[in-house]
Amino acid sequence: KNQVEQSPQSLIILEGKNCTLQCNYTVSPFSNLRWYKQDTGRGPVSLTIMTFSENTKSNGRYTATLDADTKQSSLHITASQLSDSASYICVVSGPVGAGNNRKLIWGLGTSLAVNP
Amino acid sequence: DTAVSQTPKYLVTQMGNDKSIKCEQNLGHDTMYWYKQDSKKFLKIMFSYNNKELIINETVPNRFSPKSPDKAHLNLHINSLELGDSAVYFCASSQHNRGLGADTQYFGPGTRLTVL
Repeated sequence: KNQVEQSPQSLIILEGKNCTLQCNYTVSPFSNLRWYKQDTGRGPVSLTIMTFSENTKSNGRYTATLDADTKQSSLHITASQLSDSASYICVVSGPVGAGNNRKLIWGLGTSLAVNP
Repeated sequence: DTAVSQTPKYLVTQMGNDKSIKCEQNLGHDTMYWYKQDSKKFLKIMFSYNNKELIINETVPNRFSPKSPDKAHLNLHINSLELGDSAVYFCASSQHNRGLGADTQYFGPGTRLTVL
C-alpha cells in the first residue's frame, strides 16, 4: 500500500535552534518527493522537490535530503525563526493513475512550533 | 497580487443547502485543482481540470460538481450539503499538465466550510 508517514507528529523548539523532520514512504514506483510548508489558515507552499537521483536540495535555511534506497527523506531547518512555525508536509509522487497523472500521496505533516 | 484566490474564505451553512466556492488564478496556468483538507489535516485531491477539461475525478460524491468557465477559473458547487462536508477546501493551479507531481502546485488560501 502506498503510504507516507511523517515524524514527529508535533515538535516544539526554541528560536535559533535547529531541527530535523522525518518522512518515510512506501510509494512505488517513485517519481519525486516534495516538502510543503503550510502556515495556519493558509494553503501549502512548496519548499523543495527531489527526484530519484537527487540526495539533497536546499532552499535558504531549509535542507531536504532523500535516500531512495531506504525510502526516507528529512527536512532540516537551520537557525529556526518564529515564522517557521507551521505544518510541514511530505508529498510523494507515485504510480500513474487517472488521466495518465501520477498519484500524489500526502503525509499528515509535522506541526512545528518555534517559541521565543 | 494574489496568485490563486478563493471566495469566500469562510462559509457556514445549514445541512441540505447548496453552496458554491469560487477560485481564480492569475498565473496563466493550464491546470487547476480542488483539494479537501479534513480535521486531521489530510489533504485529498478531488478534481483536476486542464484547459477547462476534467482530467482527474477522484471518488467524490456527485453532489460535488466542478465548473470551469475558462482556464483561469475553477468553481466548486456542492448540492445537499452534509455534516461530513465540513472541511477546508483548497484550490490550486500548476503551469502544465505534465502529470501530478511534475509541476509545482500553487495553492489558494482555502475556504473553511462548516455545515451545521
